[in-house]
Amino acid sequence: AQTVTQSQPEMSVQEAETVTLSCTYDTSENNYYLFWYKQPPSRQMILVIRQEAYKQQNATENRFSVNFQKAAKSFSLKISDSQLGDTAMYFCAFMKHWRIQGAQKLVFGQGTRLTINP
Amino acid sequence: GAVVSQHPSRVICKSGTSVKIECRSLDFQATTMFWYRQFPKQSLMLMATSNEGSKATYEQGVEKDKFLINHASLTLSTLTVTSAHPEDSSFYICSAPPGVNRNEAFFGQGTRLTVV
Repeated sequence: AQTVTQSQPEMSVQEAETVTLSCTYDTSENNYYLFWYKQPPSRQMILVIRQEAYKQQNATENRFSVNFQKAAKSFSLKISDSQLGDTAMYFCAFMKHWRIQGAQKLVFGQGTRLTINP
Repeated sequence: GAVVSQHPSRVICKSGTSVKIECRSLDFQATTMFWYRQFPKQSLMLMATSNEGSKATYEQGVEKDKFLINHASLTLSTLTVTSAHPEDSSFYICSAPPGVNRNEAFFGQGTRLTVV
């Protein structure tokens, strides 16, 4: 079974600072996806960034980037120039490669509550 | 883009009654829908998987007689909490997994259930 671990329950930074959220996972699969989701107070799940395990290049989406270390099973999220709207719960998630194995569930980490202070 | 519409967003019911939560895929067909439960300040935990045309599969520890799942069509999955009790109060979220023409999972808006 896959497990996802986020060791930082809460983090707090000042606006415009850079913050890194940690995530480690455990799997015996070789083909999979990793995700970071944001859950604001509305509780709607929002995809922040996605990484396919076979791609060595780290994914980036504007101010969001990841550091994917496949051998170490580590997948951290860096938020640059943080904004007040980034305040939310952030979940790291794992999914087996659905194109190979059919519809797959997401396995979530415990979450990190990120607060951006003005 | 693909949208999953979940209703109701919030419901309060009396102990012993049943509550139905609907998830509809608005512009795509979903043969599978995942149902998650989220307690306050905790993560999402998979409860069950609904499959169009076949029985739902439940995660270990989830009572299938309490949480009835029906995947009536390729665009509708429902979760019915039967004989609800206060401990069933929680946030329930459905999610359609990636599939043809969509590379990511899509989540409903969630349902906050309060049993009094």
